[in-house]
Amino acid sequence: DTGVSQNPRHKITKRGQNVTFRCDPISEHNRLYWYRQTLGQGPEFLTYFQNEAQLEKSRLLSDRFSAERPKGSFSTLEIQRTEQGDSAMYLCASSAGVGVRADTQYFGPGTRLTVL
Amino acid sequence: TQLLEQSPQFLSIQEGENLTVYCNSSSVFSSLQWYRQEPGEGPVLLVTVVTGGEVKKLKRLTFQFGDARKDSSLHITAAQPGDTGLYLCAAYSGAGSYQLTFGKGTKLSVIP
Repeated sequence: DTGVSQNPRHKITKRGQNVTFRCDPISEHNRLYWYRQTLGQGPEFLTYFQNEAQLEKSRLLSDRFSAERPKGSFSTLEIQRTEQGDSAMYLCASSAGVGVRADTQYFGPGTRLTVL
Repeated sequence: TQLLEQSPQFLSIQEGENLTVYCNSSSVFSSLQWYRQEPGEGPVLLVTVVTGGEVKKLKRLTFQFGDARKDSSLHITAAQPGDTGLYLCAAYSGAGSYQLTFGKGTKLSVIP
């Protein structure tokens, strides 16, 4: 399977714990995105990488959230001191980077986070 | 932040019926995308519309981009249970931005 993969698919944690999610993009895609989706809403943009550089960050990305893409391949999203409001589906997407209008983002299956 | 409003929010129809869902905004977009999302999965791109007035067909799905590039519609002919899912429209947030803004979606249920 050469699509975007995310691990774990589900994560249940207690409030105050730290969690880390991993995203493996489609190989040779130089752009990688993180989104968050809560029930009844469309995905909301969190952050975007071009290779290893983090170029855009949403105001939704509080200081408890950090994302990395150290070698320009896989990416991790860490949430520190989780809160119940962090419960959501965290989606990763990647794209080949062919300009904005024609650039297609391919989404992974997501990681469902539940904070108790 | 550009707002994309989708309607209706929920739609439940019988197999074989036709339906149209809408995506509206007060902003002008250089392009607009439609995605379909199934429960527990990520969105899958159906189509990108770029030119005002453009009509694209994907089997029984017809997508139209408004002349002013502020709105779009998705029409499904003879809906089937396999069409069930969440239909999302999305657009890039501004010049040079790679941030996709999504609508809240239309949740479609097609009853056999």
